[in-house]
Amino acid sequence: AQSVTQLDSQVPVFEEAPVELRCNYSSSVSVYLFWYVQYPNQGLQLLLKYLSGSTLVKGINGFEAEFNKSQTSFHLRKPSVHISDTAEYFCAVSGSSARQLTFGSGTQLTVLP
Amino acid sequence: NAGVMQNPRHLVRRRGQEARLRCSPMKGHSHVYWYRQLPEEGLKFMVYLQKENIIDESGMPKERFSAEFPKEGPSILRIQQVVRGDSAAYFCASSPQSQIGNTIYFGEGSWLTVV
Repeated sequence: AQSVTQLDSQVPVFEEAPVELRCNYSSSVSVYLFWYVQYPNQGLQLLLKYLSGSTLVKGINGFEAEFNKSQTSFHLRKPSVHISDTAEYFCAVSGSSARQLTFGSGTQLTVLP
Repeated sequence: NAGVMQNPRHLVRRRGQEARLRCSPMKGHSHVYWYRQLPEEGLKFMVYLQKENIIDESGMPKERFSAEFPKEGPSILRIQQVVRGDSAAYFCASSPQSQIGNTIYFGEGSWLTVV
């Protein structure tokens, strides 16, 4: 069984400041990790994914995430946020079957002017 | 992702009525997934289908819920005799194959409100 914990339900940050959204997972098998963004009343858009290889993954909109196996974490970062980054961010994990994603409960990022 | 089309976007049903949610996958995708998002929660997997086959329905409630993906036409998620607790956003997703690394593309969701 897999599970995902997003430690912060809400993260307010000022425009142009850096941000880190935390994600920890648990799994008994190899995992594949994803970050999705959801704007209000819209579907989910993939930001980035980790499958294998380099532990630092770069995604769209200037986001990146680092896979840390020893700490079972996959934190999302951006060095300088914009107002338009205000959205809900979901971390997700899938196992070897890749048939279903297990999502965290989400982190609402609010960028303040 | 605009490529996965869901309708209706918003649906209001009275308790006891039936709700039908439709999903057309992206062109070239033969794998469809349904997820449910309850208020203030993340998405929960419901069912995974290929054309004319249910592959994994481990996340589907045992009663009142069913899903199909016919040879022709969209995938349908059907909820019979809806109750207030069924109020949620239902997301469909599709992928070309179900393999490690394949990106799953989500539709914009169908918001069901049961009154």
